[in-house]
Amino acid sequence: DAMVIQNPRYQVTQFGKPVTLSCSQTLNHNVMYWYQQKSSQAPKLLFHYYDKDFNNEADTPDNFQSRRPNTSFCFLDIRSPGLGDAAMYLCATSRRFRLAGDKNIQYFGAGTRLSVL
Amino acid sequence: GQQLNQSPQSMFIQEGEDVSMNCTSSSIFNTWLWYKQEPGEGPVLLIALYKAGELTSNGRLTAQFGITRKDSFLNISASIPSDVGIYFCALIHTDKLIFGTGTRLQVFP
Repeated sequence: DAMVIQNPRYQVTQFGKPVTLSCSQTLNHNVMYWYQQKSSQAPKLLFHYYDKDFNNEADTPDNFQSRRPNTSFCFLDIRSPGLGDAAMYLCATSRRFRLAGDKNIQYFGAGTRLSVL
Repeated sequence: GQQLNQSPQSMFIQEGEDVSMNCTSSSIFNTWLWYKQEPGEGPVLLIALYKAGELTSNGRLTAQFGITRKDSFLNISASIPSDVGIYFCALIHTDKLIFGTGTRLQVFP
């Protein structure tokens, strides 16, 4: 019973052709995250949503955008993929506890592996 | 930014051996997490630690939150081939995770 679901698991796109990755969750968590992970490295946070509030990381390229139309779904849009954007993209969710911010455990989806040709 | 050092970087062991890995941080935090990531999959939470000195087990896995609150270790006893993967320690800092560099574990039958 997957709780954080990412589609598709594998995505191939062409250089410069926009691509959208999708994430849905059944946990009713109020925070959703997108990470980029390259081979043998730790995941790198791109941005996250706390409810509808979007929080971008300072070093996330403008090429990466995100949408969260409702609590359950979050999308990652790559406007013009380059060869360097080939990676595993991970979605994660957590429930933020207002008085216990250090308890926000994140649960990850299985990831989408993006190839750029 | 925060530094989180994880060691060893990789381990090649025989089935049945015990494994130990650790993480140290440059600052004090309140929660240590250990994740396992298998090839082609997302990280899966193994153990969460909330108190200094806390020792928690999950099957053959045991993790401890160091007394100084700046370190944690993970032990795997009697390793089996399905233990293969990358193990990440992580700290929670506001809404974000700070990841260790990972320990890649290979188990040979």
